[in-house]
Amino acid sequence: QVQLVQSGAEVKKPGASVKVSCKASGFTFTGYYMHWVRQAPGQGLQWMGWIHPDSGDTKDALKFRGRVTMTRDTSISTAYMELSRLTSEDTAVYYCAKNVLPDSAAPGLDSWGQGTLVTVSS
Amino acid sequence: QSALTQPASVSGSPGQSITISCTGTNSDVGAYNYVSWYQQHPGKAPKLMIYDVSNRPSGVSNRFSGSKSGNTASLTISGLQAEDEADYYCSSYTTTTTPWVFGGGTKLTVL
Repeated sequence: QVQLVQSGAEVKKPGASVKVSCKASGFTFTGYYMHWVRQAPGQGLQWMGWIHPDSGDTKDALKFRGRVTMTRDTSISTAYMELSRLTSEDTAVYYCAKNVLPDSAAPGLDSWGQGTLVTVSS
Repeated sequence: QSALTQPASVSGSPGQSITISCTGTNSDVGAYNYVSWYQQHPGKAPKLMIYDVSNRPSGVSNRFSGSKSGNTASLTISGLQAEDEADYYCSSYTTTTTPWVFGGGTKLTVL
């Protein structure tokens, strides 16, 4: 079955960077866009960006441009999201998610990781 | 402020039907048939309920249906059940520099 397993919780100081991993199994990793979505405590969902694991092409939200880097390692079916210059407003649960249809960025996200809590505090 | 507008809350009694709206613009909801809906229970990851406006993924109850008219998409839940109580989010592909946006979310209370 499809599984996305994310790395564990992180505590970071303001100004630092965090890198979250998302290990995929149960599907062809290179065939599906992988998205990153975050959710601040008590808030809604916020789309951060996507990566196509086959080509490595990425697209990020304007809000995070210049601060977010999405990469992947196809040899271990793992996607990564690194966010730099952290502030307290980046405290959130970060999710990776897979698109429902192959080779399409748009339709919907049908499998989600368990989430990674990133806490930014001095 | 979210790009897509949803009501903050809706409620209904067991067995009833409710509809959650998701209003966007002709740059997102009105531009593509790429509206999706997610259910999220407290402390859990979101679950895809509808994609491409009206398609249900395998395993999602047919009590959940989606539609779109112009710049507004809707999620309808019929035969409301206690376990439907959750937060619901819409999302759309967009023509803008941020190609994906979510709505602010709607809290569904089953009375």
